[in-house]
Amino acid sequence: GAGVSQSPSNKVTEKGKDVELRCDPISGHTALYWYRQSLGQGLEFLIYFQGNSAPDKSGLPSDRFSAERTGGSVSTLTIQRTQQEDSAVYLCASSTTSGGSYNEQFFGPGTRLTVL
Amino acid sequence: AQSVTQPDIHITVSEGASLELRCNYSYGATPYLFWYVQSPGQGLQLLLKYFSGDTLVQGIKGFEAEFKRSQSSFNLRKPSVHWSDAAEYFCAVGAGFNKFYFGSGTKLNVKP
Repeated sequence: GAGVSQSPSNKVTEKGKDVELRCDPISGHTALYWYRQSLGQGLEFLIYFQGNSAPDKSGLPSDRFSAERTGGSVSTLTIQRTQQEDSAVYLCASSTTSGGSYNEQFFGPGTRLTVL
Repeated sequence: AQSVTQPDIHITVSEGASLELRCNYSYGATPYLFWYVQSPGQGLQLLLKYFSGDTLVQGIKGFEAEFKRSQSSFNLRKPSVHWSDAAEYFCAVGAGFNKFYFGSGTKLNVKP
């Protein structure tokens, strides 16, 4: 079946604009993660969705960042009033669930965001 | 606090040579450890994982890793590198409920 898909693959925006990044997880995967990968950095955890539970938002760097997951499937990461430091690759991953940290995550190709 | 350190930012090896990528972690309990590979323009792909049991784990593409609790290490190895192995490699620790901590990555360059 299809893997995790993300759109757009590249996004260039001007400082102060809002952007929306989309993630389509693997069908049937109830867990969904967003990460940020800045140049020369590892993956920074942003947010985690698990089924119908309240998301773990502990990694969101500021209140300009938000995410939602509709119908337990597609997720949208929104960044409001973008800043240059938001420039990074945003990765989405999904996994099957048992609530543990041992489930393999399947990653999408990422969205490269450039804020001018 | 949980953390993962990959001390080598870039490594260059000749094709056919052996490879070892270092990973050290900091975690209070028994860790779940992972190695991922990211090829240019691609998402991360799981190479191997350690949960328990045999400390030497085999992965895809001929990679293996050894968990050494005394050294808090989980180094990735391959006996003979192929040009197609050029990529960025990430070590990660699964730490508690649904949290994963990734290292900053090691970029591997393979000389012909």
